[in-house]
Amino acid sequence: GAGVSQSPSNKVTEKGKDVELRCDPISGHTALYWYRQRLGQGLEFLIYFQGNSAPDKSGLPSDRFSAERTGESVSTLTIQRTQQEDSAVYLCASSLDRATLEKLFFGSGTQLSVL
Amino acid sequence: DQQVKQNSPSLSVQEGRISILNCDYTNSMFDYFLWYKKYPAEGPTFLISISSIKDKNEDGRFTVFLNKSAKHLSLHIVPSQPGDSAVYFCAASDSGDDKIIFGKGTRLHILP
Repeated sequence: GAGVSQSPSNKVTEKGKDVELRCDPISGHTALYWYRQRLGQGLEFLIYFQGNSAPDKSGLPSDRFSAERTGESVSTLTIQRTQQEDSAVYLCASSLDRATLEKLFFGSGTQLSVL
Repeated sequence: DQQVKQNSPSLSVQEGRISILNCDYTNSMFDYFLWYKKYPAEGPTFLISISSIKDKNEDGRFTVFLNKSAKHLSLHIVPSQPGDSAVYFCAASDSGDDKIIFGKGTRLHILP
């Protein structure tokens, strides 16, 4: 498909386990964002990648969270030693470039449940 | 510290009437504002935006108004239709910083 693809769509894990979430942005999109939405809350910025620049990691809530992006393609968000408060929908979004930041295209998200 | 605030968690409007969704922000460096719409189990989709050099932007049934002095913006939908029932997120960005900051959202119910 032509949209942003995220996998898995649902992930249930036990507290203390590591999880890896994947995002395939729209081809050619240089900007990629990760957001988190906890129940009843808004979209919380996590991390931003723009081309080959150093990522903006200022939204990552703790050192258990990390993300990588290979060039201008796939990104993975890794959460180590998951905690129950990590339960949320994790949304990935991409845009063509910095000049079109306003038109983010979001994936459907990964629903993470930590038991 | 919430930089983008949507103080109404939900709003119900009769079909055919005007829906007005409000948003306040605290960061005076924000110079671009956006509204996104989200249906259940889907990612948000871009609806309409406005630059800080304007005070109004219109696109069909959707109009966004910006009051910089009050640090307030609003989204007007008229006439409201059943398909408008969704969660609406207000967002803001600063051209010197690539982050886009979202509010908590307002759930809009269009009543038949």
